[in-house]
Amino acid sequence: DAGVIQSPRHEVTEMGQEVTLRCKPISGHDYLFWYRQTMMRGLELLIYFNNNVPIDDSGMPEDRFSAKMPNASFSTLKIQPSEPRDSAVYFCASSPTGTGSPTWKAFFGQGTRLTVV
Amino acid sequence: DAKTTQPPSMDCAEGRAANLPCNHSTISGNEYVYWYRQIHSQGPQYIIHGLKNNETNEMASLIITEDRKSSTLILPHATLRDTAVYYCIVRSIVTGTASKLTFGTGTRLQVTL
Repeated sequence: DAGVIQSPRHEVTEMGQEVTLRCKPISGHDYLFWYRQTMMRGLELLIYFNNNVPIDDSGMPEDRFSAKMPNASFSTLKIQPSEPRDSAVYFCASSPTGTGSPTWKAFFGQGTRLTVV
Repeated sequence: DAKTTQPPSMDCAEGRAANLPCNHSTISGNEYVYWYRQIHSQGPQYIIHGLKNNETNEMASLIITEDRKSSTLILPHATLRDTAVYYCIVRSIVTGTASKLTFGTGTRLQVTL
C-alpha cells in the first residue's frame, strides 16, 4: 500500500481564495483525521471521521473551514475564504477498524504546506 | 485522555542509547501510552505503544513503570536519522469514545556526531 496520500504537497494562494486539500486514506481504514500544524500551536486535531461520518469537529477553527468524506477513499478539507493566519501544514491520517484494539495505530500522510499571502 | 509531560529537548551522541522520558501521572486503567516521532518536513510516524508491560519492536523499546505514571522510550543505538520531535501520547481504547490522538509539544531529540 502507498500509505496515506495527500495533495497538493504545497499550495500558495491569495487571501480570500478558496483552498481545497485532498486526502486518500489507506484502503480498509475506517477512521480519518485532519490535523493542522503551526509553530505556535503545534499539532492540532481539526476533525475526524468514522466510516465517512464526521464524529468530532470541535477542533475546526471557524465556519470558513469545512471537511467532507464522500466515500471511504477520499476526503477534502476546504477553507473559504482563506486568510494569512490559515498558513500551516495540514496532515491527514487514517487508522484501521477496531479502535478498541490493543494494536490500534494511526498512519499519517506527508502533509500539505499551505501559504496564504 | 490523560495529560503528558516531556522535556522540551535532549541531545544524544550517535551510537549511544537515547532515553526519552514521559510523565503521565493521571493515566487511567484503559489508557495506552503511544510514541510517535516527526522528522523535519514529514508526517508523524508511529514508533511503539503499550499498556503496562514493556514493549520492544524493530524501532525502539518502551519501558512503563509499575504504577504506569511514567514511561521511557529507548532508541538503543541512535543515528543522525533519529533526530526528530518525539511525542508521548496517552489514549483510551474504550470503544465508542473519542479515538483521536492528541499531540502535546514533544521532545526535540538532537543526535550528534
